[in-house]
This record gives sequence, C-alpha cells and structure tokens, in this order.
Amino acid sequence: DVVLTQTPPTLSATIGQSVSISCRSSQSLLHSNGNTYLNWLLQRPGQPPQLLIYLVSRLESGVPNRFSGSGSGTDFTLKISGVEAEDLGVYYCVQSTHAPLTFGSGTKLEIK
Amino acid sequence: EVQLVESGGGLVQPGRSLKLSCAASGFTFSNYYMAWVRQAPTKGLEWVAYISTGGGSTYYRDSVKGRFTISRDNAKSTLYLQMDSLRSEDTATYYCTTLGFDYWGQGVMVTVSS
Repeated sequence: DVVLTQTPPTLSATIGQSVSISCRSSQSLLHSNGNTYLNWLLQRPGQPPQLLIYLVSRLESGVPNRFSGSGSGTDFTLKISGVEAEDLGVYYCVQSTHAPLTFGSGTKLEIK
Repeated sequence: EVQLVESGGGLVQPGRSLKLSCAASGFTFSNYYMAWVRQAPTKGLEWVAYISTGGGSTYYRDSVKGRFTISRDNAKSTLYLQMDSLRSEDTATYYCTTLGFDYWGQGVMVTVSS
C-alpha cells in the first residue's frame, strides 16, 4: 500500500501567519491517465472531514483561496496564506491513484 | 442541498452484527463511487470499503475482508455496510463519503464492547 507521510504532525500558528504542510508518498501518485489523485481534507473539531483541494491543486468550490496545493510525483504541499481562527483542526492528505486508497496520518493545526 | 445521513450505529457485543445505512440526497447518487471511512477515537481516518457506481465492484481493507459487506441501492439512493463478526478494534465513527471525498455524512458511532 502507498504510505503518505505528513509533516509536521502538529503546527502552531498565529492569525495571519502563513503555514505549509508536507505530504510525501512512498511512490509516485501520477496515474497512467495523466492525473494525480492527491487531495487535501480538513477535519474541524467534532466535524466530519471536508474537501479543500483535489487533484493536487484544484480548489474545491466554496473553499477560501488562502488555501493552495502544489507538488507532483511524490512530494506535495498544502499552504495556508494567512491563517484564520476557523482553520484550526486536523489536515489530511489522501491518495486514490493506487488501490487501496490511503490517508496521511494528519497534521493538527493549533491557533496561538 | 447535498445530504448524506448515516444510521444504524450503536453498542454491540463482540461477534455480533450491525448494518449501517447512508441515505443520500441532493446529488445523482448513482453517478458516484461511494465509500465508508472510519475513525477510531482520537485516531486518524481509515478507509473501510468502497463500491463502484453500479455496485458490481467492491473493495475492502484487509482487516474487514470476509466480515463486512458494502452494497448500494441506487433506486433508493442508499449505501449500506453490513458488519458481521464485529471486534473491539472496529469501534469507531463510520463516515459515508463519495470517493472523491467531496460529500461526507456526519458519521455514526459504532462501539463494540461486552
């Protein structure tokens, strides 16, 4: 199975600070069809996860544009440009290029 | 408005069975691969099973193969998870989601304990 390694496991940020989360895959996530099926999810406390980014860098409808995704192959990054209080929670990367799909272990974002 | 509403969770003894349901509305259910994802208390997300649009293809994580069965009724826009021979390690909140992860239910708690 593909292993997704997220770093850091926890992140503490002040309001307005920009932060990045890394997701590294044990193998390339480039599908034979040319797509890279790497998504980013946010799970706020007591809530189900919500989709932020799909196909590495495409912003899900309704998600603020302070969130952005980048990367290719095995290295991917989620960036939040100007953290807001509502951004606290746990961020997960998830891949569905290779069966079975797998999740990263999560990065907990705390607000200072 | 898109809704996924899970039901059927609860407290069950080890070795017993439980069937989860997920009623979908607000989108064309039959066009989507669907999945069950679970989260043990204080832990991360873990996929359990997923199913193709027509139900002809199903996939299970190794730890639930032979014990869990995912199915769907597109006429009723409903996803199911039949869970047999439950173990304590199956204790978790179970979420119904589309395989693109764009829609999620609120989750249903399953507790396996004597």
